[in-house]
Amino acid sequence: GESVGLHLPTLSVQEGDNSIINCAYSNSASDYFIWYKQESGKGPQFIIDIRSNMDKRQGQRVTVLLNKTVKHLSLQIAATQPGDSAVYFCAENIGSKGGSEKLVFGKGTKLTVNP
Amino acid sequence: DAGITQSPRHKVTETGTPVTLRCHQTENHRYMYWYRQDPGHGLRLIHYSYGVKDTDKGEVSDGYSVSRSKTEDFLLTLESATSSQTSVYFCAIREQGDFGYTFGSGTRLTVV
Repeated sequence: GESVGLHLPTLSVQEGDNSIINCAYSNSASDYFIWYKQESGKGPQFIIDIRSNMDKRQGQRVTVLLNKTVKHLSLQIAATQPGDSAVYFCAENIGSKGGSEKLVFGKGTKLTVNP
Repeated sequence: DAGITQSPRHKVTETGTPVTLRCHQTENHRYMYWYRQDPGHGLRLIHYSYGVKDTDKGEVSDGYSVSRSKTEDFLLTLESATSSQTSVYFCAIREQGDFGYTFGSGTRLTVV
């Protein structure tokens, strides 16, 4: 089964509000996490990443928080805009015995921003 | 998506026929991946490649094979398509030491 999942499948917010999207993971050996945004009909697009030796990382309007104690990852979007409407995936990087690493994705959260 | 192209973008095929999807990159990245995306399952890894002629299975590899005879191309083949393989297929690339995957625009495959 998947080792990465999401608490809520959908999230609806008002334009201008802050959004928080959550993700739980189960593999304590994962060393790297990424958030992707996927708009309808397009491939996933990189938003922000964080290494396991960090607790927080900020980008433009986005912040990722990592809590290794409870294996929880969150994506915060400040001043959410209609263009932020999309499906958001968290992913964890897992190394294989062959040394080749790969991403395991959660099921995604659909964010809808209401004007 | 700059540097990565998937073809075809859409395909309808009949059950039992072979199908090959192509992923082409111009970034000279070492790693290439094939994922499928289905409602309720997110993205699941089918196969991946860590170099020319070096490939390995992902979590949903049954019914699929891959080939990588040169750096820029990664082919995904359904030997005998089944309706359960109706899905959107995404290719991704990354460079060694860089964990940021770049995804293609996807191929929507329908098996009837």
